Amino acid sequence: AQSVTQLDSQVPVFEEAPVELRCNYSSSVSVYLFWYVQYPNQGLQLLLKYLSGSTLVKGINGFEAEFNKSQTSFHLRKPSVHISDTAEYFCAVSDGASGTYKYIFGTGTRLKVLA
Amino acid sequence: DVKVTQSSRYLVKRTGEKVFLECVQDMDHENMFWYRQDPGLGLRLIYFSYDVKMKEKGDIPEGYSVSREKKERFSLILESASTNQTSMYLCASTSTGVGIQYFGAGTRLSVL
Repeated sequence: AQSVTQLDSQVPVFEEAPVELRCNYSSSVSVYLFWYVQYPNQGLQLLLKYLSGSTLVKGINGFEAEFNKSQTSFHLRKPSVHISDTAEYFCAVSDGASGTYKYIFGTGTRLKVLA
Repeated sequence: DVKVTQSSRYLVKRTGEKVFLECVQDMDHENMFWYRQDPGLGLRLIYFSYDVKMKEKGDIPEGYSVSREKKERFSLILESASTNQTSMYLCASTSTGVGIQYFGAGTRLSVL
């Protein structure tokens, strides 16, 4: 069964510093990968997605992620964070071969941006 | 814009009560999902529906049931609420194929 691992439960970082949030998934023939952000007391909002094509994916709010098939990773990066990026970030995978539309979510990473 | 609306943001119920959580989407999506979110556990799928009156169990269906009588509405039912069902509940919808899941704002349920 597909699984997703977000190794860091919390990541503190100073404002304007770069950040990387890590995500690894279990191998599959074809996968679709997603990053979502959840601000306090809100639902989840899509940041970016990888379905096929270029392995470097750009999303909203200056975030990007790179699909690395050999390392089964899909790490999220931002070169310079703002206070407003403080939120919880979830990585999700959908198994493209199964024909279902279900996601498997990671346990989330809380990003805390410090002034 | 896609809109997924959950009927309540906060609910407080007593142990043993029957609880209904409602979700409505306005984009004619075929697929709808109910998740439970707990700290340190991420989102776990309770049930999903791929068509009217069709449903499949997710990873943690015990203690829950669902109803989908109309395409736009997907209800989660706690037949007899228990304290271990205190949680944040999130509804999502997506179109057929590898769709983006669109989420509601969530319902924070407390069972006392």
